[in-house]
Amino acid sequence: KNQVEQSPQSLIILEGKNCTLQCNYTVSPFSNLRWYKQDTGRGPVSLTIMTFSENTKSNGRYTATLDADTKQSSLHITASQLSDSASYICVVSDRGSTLGRLYFGRGTQLTVWP
Amino acid sequence: EADIYQTPRYLVIGTGKKITLECSQTMGHDKMYWYQQDPGMELHLIHYSYGVNSTEKGDLSSESTVSRIRTEHFPLTLESARPSHTSQYLCASSERGPLMGEAFFGQGTRLTVV
Repeated sequence: KNQVEQSPQSLIILEGKNCTLQCNYTVSPFSNLRWYKQDTGRGPVSLTIMTFSENTKSNGRYTATLDADTKQSSLHITASQLSDSASYICVVSDRGSTLGRLYFGRGTQLTVWP
Repeated sequence: EADIYQTPRYLVIGTGKKITLECSQTMGHDKMYWYQQDPGMELHLIHYSYGVNSTEKGDLSSESTVSRIRTEHFPLTLESARPSHTSQYLCASSERGPLMGEAFFGQGTRLTVV
């Protein structure tokens, strides 16, 4: 069964600190992995998208890593800001169909305190 | 900023009412999707469309229906709303191609059925 598991479920950090969010998946055949940021009551916004051959990709203070062999990904946030408080969702796409189905994790709820 | 719009943002209605949630995108994307998301839970695909006059049911069974008469418009309708339909509904679109490209999400409609 294709699944995406994220950890931790929730995380509280102080402003300025770094943190790392984890994503493990069993989706096969793998197409790509995305990290989305979802503010409360709003739609997800893409942070990064990584294909099989990419190991790391950065977007400002966000750095995503991918290990396609172990089927693990991480999202590292440096120098956190209050505006980083949101749910971070790991999404994996398969290439087993024309649709390229998306599989969503439940997200990690990050809270940044001043 | 993605050009995909959902209306209304919030809706509170009585049981038995018929409602239509609107979704429009101006990016010319062929693929469009409807997801349902309960608080703290992952997104579940309820409907998708490859293009005009193409609609399919997703992974999660839903009593809602959709239509795709125009490329840019993908409305979702509930003929008779019930409290169990209370949820957040997210619309998304992506460009054509066998491997799913970037998916852009609307801001969502928070539906409450009383």
